[in-house]
Amino acid sequence: GQQVMQIPQYQHVQEGEDFTTYCNSSTTLSNIQWYKQRPGGHPVFLIQLVKSGEVKKQKRLTFQFGEAKKNSSLHITATQTTDVGTYFCAGPGAGNNRKLIWGLGTSLAVNP
Amino acid sequence: SAVISQKPSRDICQRGTSLTIQCQVDSQVTMMFWYRQQPGQSLTLIATANQGSEATYESGFVIDKFPISRPNLTFSTLTVSNMSPEDSSIYLCSVSIDRGRAFFGQGTRLTVV
Repeated sequence: GQQVMQIPQYQHVQEGEDFTTYCNSSTTLSNIQWYKQRPGGHPVFLIQLVKSGEVKKQKRLTFQFGEAKKNSSLHITATQTTDVGTYFCAGPGAGNNRKLIWGLGTSLAVNP
Repeated sequence: SAVISQKPSRDICQRGTSLTIQCQVDSQVTMMFWYRQQPGQSLTLIATANQGSEATYESGFVIDKFPISRPNLTFSTLTVSNMSPEDSSIYLCSVSIDRGRAFFGQGTRLTVV
């Protein structure tokens, strides 16, 4: 079945270091979405990428959608303690039911 | 965006009992989704709830264990029936709007003792 892989599973960085998480789908996606879940919280929508090769920035966060629309990455420049949480990518499942297929998430810890 | 009010936020329940989780959305939505999330893990879809029809359950989840109601376009409930400690988890409701973006309730942290 359709799968979305995400690596790494965990990342521990010093504050100020950069961080990247990668997402790879087994099928071509019409779009890919990124979410952040703070410890004890619920997933919060960050961004949606739709176009092949698309790059979007949100302050220190850079999101990229691959040319083949099967992979994506999230890069955080100069991490801060407020970046702590788990980052999930998700892509639409097959069919028109709006179901999302979720990556396993990358848990980011930042040492101050 | 959508604002979803989910309750209870947490509960501790005895095994063998049932708990009903409610989600209220601030706008009308066609589909609502119910997820389970074990601590430190990804989201597992339990079922999709459509108004006016039976919910569609994912593999490994059955209606007898997780009955769902969807009486109107802004409200849904998920019941966790005949609970055992293995049902201890976080349960999340979600809606998909605006080109498929997902918005979540605050979650229900369930502990079964």
